Amino acid sequence: DTGVSQDPRHKITKRGQNVTFRCDPISEHNRLYWYRQTLGQGPEFLTYFQNEAQLEKSRLLSDRFSAERPKGSFSTLEIQRTEQGDSAMYLCASRRQGAEKLFFGSGTQLSVL
Amino acid sequence: GQQLNQSPQSMFIQEGEDVSMNCTSSSIFNTWLWYKQDPGEGPVLLIALYKAGELTSNGRLTAQFGITRKDSFLNISASIPSDVGIYFCAGQRGSNYQLIWGAGTKLIIKP
Repeated sequence: DTGVSQDPRHKITKRGQNVTFRCDPISEHNRLYWYRQTLGQGPEFLTYFQNEAQLEKSRLLSDRFSAERPKGSFSTLEIQRTEQGDSAMYLCASRRQGAEKLFFGSGTQLSVL
Repeated sequence: GQQLNQSPQSMFIQEGEDVSMNCTSSSIFNTWLWYKQDPGEGPVLLIALYKAGELTSNGRLTAQFGITRKDSFLNISASIPSDVGIYFCAGQRGSNYQLIWGAGTKLIIKP
């Protein structure tokens, strides 16, 4: 069990640039989640996948955000035309279908200058 | 937005003291999860609770699922320096297993 892996761990970008993050879930976990977390807050749900299907998206996920999980394994989260308000920790998590336990990666810390 | 009330917001304690924190909600949950998060890291699952009234331990940690299914508490006995961090409760309801999070309890141990 290698755990949930996220890449990169840190990303600094200029406002207006596009960024893409990757998440590799625990193998055999068919459910994958993306969360955003700002300082002093708990994680906020963004979206989740069951296999390759994106089943739910939060209202927090503006049209500048897009997530994919093309083969039902790893997932990418892209933010286009980044804004300073996008600065946050982006967390990926996965779980096995039917299991309640959700396991998180170490996150990608995004700083938009 | 968050729908769980987690308290206290922060705690300053002496090493060796016991710690207690709780989460309450106006809604019923099917599952309660407690996580610990260190700076710059993702949350790590500590304890999962599945039934009302359930009391579960993990080493020095003990958590309970409230009888009303609207609350949960976490106790840490004989705290040690590595217990420092932010503890989050998360409640789960519905079939999509989406978690609702508390705002966290920051634990600080006085040297």
